[in-house]
Amino acid sequence: GNSVTQMEGPVTLSEEAFLTINCTYTATGYPSLFWYVQYPGEGLQLLLKATKADDKGSNKGFEATYRKETTSFHLEKGSVQVSDSAVYFCARMGSGYNKLIFGAGTRLAVHP
Amino acid sequence: DTEVTQTPKHLVMGMTNKKSLKCEQHMGHRAMYWYKQKAKKPPELMFVYSYEKLSINESVPSRFSPECPNSSLLNLHLHALQPEDSALYLCASSQSTDRAYEQYFGPGTRLTVT
Repeated sequence: GNSVTQMEGPVTLSEEAFLTINCTYTATGYPSLFWYVQYPGEGLQLLLKATKADDKGSNKGFEATYRKETTSFHLEKGSVQVSDSAVYFCARMGSGYNKLIFGAGTRLAVHP
Repeated sequence: DTEVTQTPKHLVMGMTNKKSLKCEQHMGHRAMYWYKQKAKKPPELMFVYSYEKLSINESVPSRFSPECPNSSLLNLHLHALQPEDSALYLCASSQSTDRAYEQYFGPGTRLTVT
């Protein structure tokens, strides 16, 4: 089927720790891939994107690489801050029209 | 500027009320979307407008009625809602409905139906 699977949270880290949030997708073809972040009480913000295989999206110290061999788009950050505490959604573009298919979301909590 | 604005931020309404949610963008985008997000869940697509015409309705009950008065504005009219309709309603826009374009979201309206 067409879906996005994220690692279950919550992920709890100390400040300055390394972050990885796993995301894999199933799809026919090579859809655009996205990471969105949702801070408490807010809407979704586009964090980064990749539109083709081997593309690396990056923003605010976060990175993700489009891996077609493993159908993955894992989110990484070298040193997290308390302000990174939020819910992170991996998403792929649906087929046929501009419909986002989201993963379940991963809650990240960073402690001082 | 990648801003999508939504009003009101919070809304409490009874099951017999009629209310409207508003969304605005000034990025020149020609596609606009309504999503519904329940607590601890990802957003679910409700409607897609392309060039001010409704192109997708994801089997949403008729008590939700979208409207796109012009290319910058998107409304969601609410009537006779149920308590289970309480959720965060998110508006989004993109350059077009071409699959190459990312969607930008507003801050949402948190709706409570009593």
